[in-house]
Amino acid sequence: DAGVTQSPTHLIKTRGQHVTLRCSPISGHKSVSWYQQVLGQGPQFIFQYYEKEERGRGNFPDRFSARQFPNYSSELNVNALLLGDSALYLCASSSAWGAGQPQHFGDGTRLSIL
Amino acid sequence: GESVGLHLPTLSVQEGDNSIINCAYSNSASDYFIWYKQESGKGPQFIIDIRSNMDKRQGQRVTVLLNKTVKHLSLQIAATQPGDSAVYFCAENIAPWEDMRFGAGTRLTVKP
Repeated sequence: DAGVTQSPTHLIKTRGQHVTLRCSPISGHKSVSWYQQVLGQGPQFIFQYYEKEERGRGNFPDRFSARQFPNYSSELNVNALLLGDSALYLCASSSAWGAGQPQHFGDGTRLSIL
Repeated sequence: GESVGLHLPTLSVQEGDNSIINCAYSNSASDYFIWYKQESGKGPQFIIDIRSNMDKRQGQRVTVLLNKTVKHLSLQIAATQPGDSAVYFCAENIAPWEDMRFGAGTRLTVKP
């Protein structure tokens, strides 16, 4: 069975631009979470979606937004890109909503801002 | 702020030896923990999880120990292999929130 898939794998943008990252969860998983991982650090939580509704938000500016589609795939959007947005963006899925659910990660999108 | 952290940033072991990776957490309300393995260029890979009503859980070649008294979590890898070389993260979850909170990670290097 396919795991969590993310696209694109790599992306280069310039400051001020907009970016959209995509994620397909494991088949049957209805919850999707987004994380930002800066080099040398652990992932930081950005958003969680379940049944197309935002269920959690981390400490990120309003330039970051996301949505989940009826097929449970998800998009992460970042506006007005800054150099500090350069990171690995990870998507994770879990089978249900609620604390104590194991999250399974994709291999991420490496975003570089010039 | 409260966060998950790790005692040792790097760990080097000989192939075949057992490895122990430690993690300290500061939030006594944390009730679910996961160990992840992350290889270069890949996303975190689920290894094993444990809930706060347990103090030990075993998987294939791995054991997680939870000591709630001192808020300490450890991952034991038996007969460490070169393929175990990676960065290991512990992550905690606090009900009712669903997000996992990660520490900075420990880099495990296995010497042949």
